[in-house]
Amino acid sequence: AAGVIQSPRHLIKEKRETATLKCYPIPRHDTVYWYQQGPGQDPQFLISFYEKMQSDKGSIPDRFSAQQFSDYHSELNMSSLELGDSALYFCASSPTGADTEAFFGQGTRLTVV
Amino acid sequence: AQSVTQLGSHVSVSEGALVLLRCNYSSSVPPYLFWYVQYPNQGLQLLLKYTSAATLVKGINGFEAEFKKSETSFHLTKPSAHMSDAAEYFCAVRGKSGGYQKVTFGIGTKLQVIP
Repeated sequence: AAGVIQSPRHLIKEKRETATLKCYPIPRHDTVYWYQQGPGQDPQFLISFYEKMQSDKGSIPDRFSAQQFSDYHSELNMSSLELGDSALYFCASSPTGADTEAFFGQGTRLTVV
Repeated sequence: AQSVTQLGSHVSVSEGALVLLRCNYSSSVPPYLFWYVQYPNQGLQLLLKYTSAATLVKGINGFEAEFKKSETSFHLTKPSAHMSDAAEYFCAVRGKSGGYQKVTFGIGTKLQVIP
């Protein structure tokens, strides 16, 4: 079965650079979530989209932005990177229905040096 | 707003011993609860989920969890720990936030299995 695809899997950037993370949700899933997981921490909700519109916003820095495109893939854009942005970034998708779980991608490990 | 609290960020058990990972939830409406497992450098994998169909939920790898409304708990158990169970476990709740569905995670419990 198709899963959530994230690319790239690993990314190394220097401070003050920009990074773009991509997420391809499972087909027919209408909700996409982005999470940030720092070393030894739980996943922190960043932002979500429902039918290509932003539906909720969590602890996402102003330096970050995200959008969902017409083909439902989503991109997380991160600018002016800081050392503290080094983390595992997860994308998840889910279909409509509160009793369905979110399906997670393998994550993108971002290292800022 | 919904939330979950995991008691104990680290749990150690001997191989073959009972595994008990605690999770308490807070939700103003009937919650949808999940347990995810994360192996090192991997994504989150669903272990099991509670969606009000049955209070005792069985998941993969021999894990199960019981929803207890009176205790607002959803503890994860496994009768006999295996070395391969060593991982981090996250309790999560899904509910509405601003009209849309949102998944909120606990801080995670790292399970160590001692041979």
